[in-house]
Amino acid sequence: DGGITQSPKYLFRKEGQNVTLSCEQNLNHDAMYWYRQDPGQGLRLIYYSQIVNDFQKGDIAEGYSVSREKKESFPLTVTSAQKNPTAFYLCASKQGPWSYNEQFFGPGTRLTVL
Amino acid sequence: GQSLEQPSEVTAVEGAIVQINCTYQTSGFYGLSWYQQHDGGAPTFLSYNGLDGLEETGRFSSFLSRSDSYGYLLLQELQMKDSASYFCAVNTGGFKTIFGAGTRLFVKA
Repeated sequence: DGGITQSPKYLFRKEGQNVTLSCEQNLNHDAMYWYRQDPGQGLRLIYYSQIVNDFQKGDIAEGYSVSREKKESFPLTVTSAQKNPTAFYLCASKQGPWSYNEQFFGPGTRLTVL
Repeated sequence: GQSLEQPSEVTAVEGAIVQINCTYQTSGFYGLSWYQQHDGGAPTFLSYNGLDGLEETGRFSSFLSRSDSYGYLLLQELQMKDSASYFCAVNTGGFKTIFGAGTRLFVKA
């Protein structure tokens, strides 16, 4: 079965610690994305990557970092510089730049910083 | 700035028809998509409009008017399982997509 996996589903960290969220896809999609969702809010773009070894900042990139060393993987690190990291994080992928391509989402990681 | 506006909540009765509107103001426009998200779940794609007009997929239809920067999602024969959040999203060019804040639909028996 093709799809996107995110791990872990729930993550708890102490304030001041960096944490890395995993995202893997076996859809052979070129593009991958990270979104943040707060309760009752929409999806805000953190970073996206169109191709291996390349990524672009989204609207709320401060306090986050990413890497794209493999086509299948796009991990997100939430650093201690992120002022309010508690949120639901969604990873997505897309086949190409064409508008009609839908984004496929992973199940999400709910991060709670204590 | 870039923005997508949609109502925060809509309530309807089972079996009824409901329309969720979306107006957008973006620097580029290459299509309007709609996604459904149940509580705690991942968004799933519902429909896409690249050109003006109506697209129908079963009980769901989506409309676009590029001249008015406006679109809507129409849900017919509402079922309890349709209770979810619905997001409009605009492809602003290439790989980048902007999402609206979402409309929470409550379906009552």
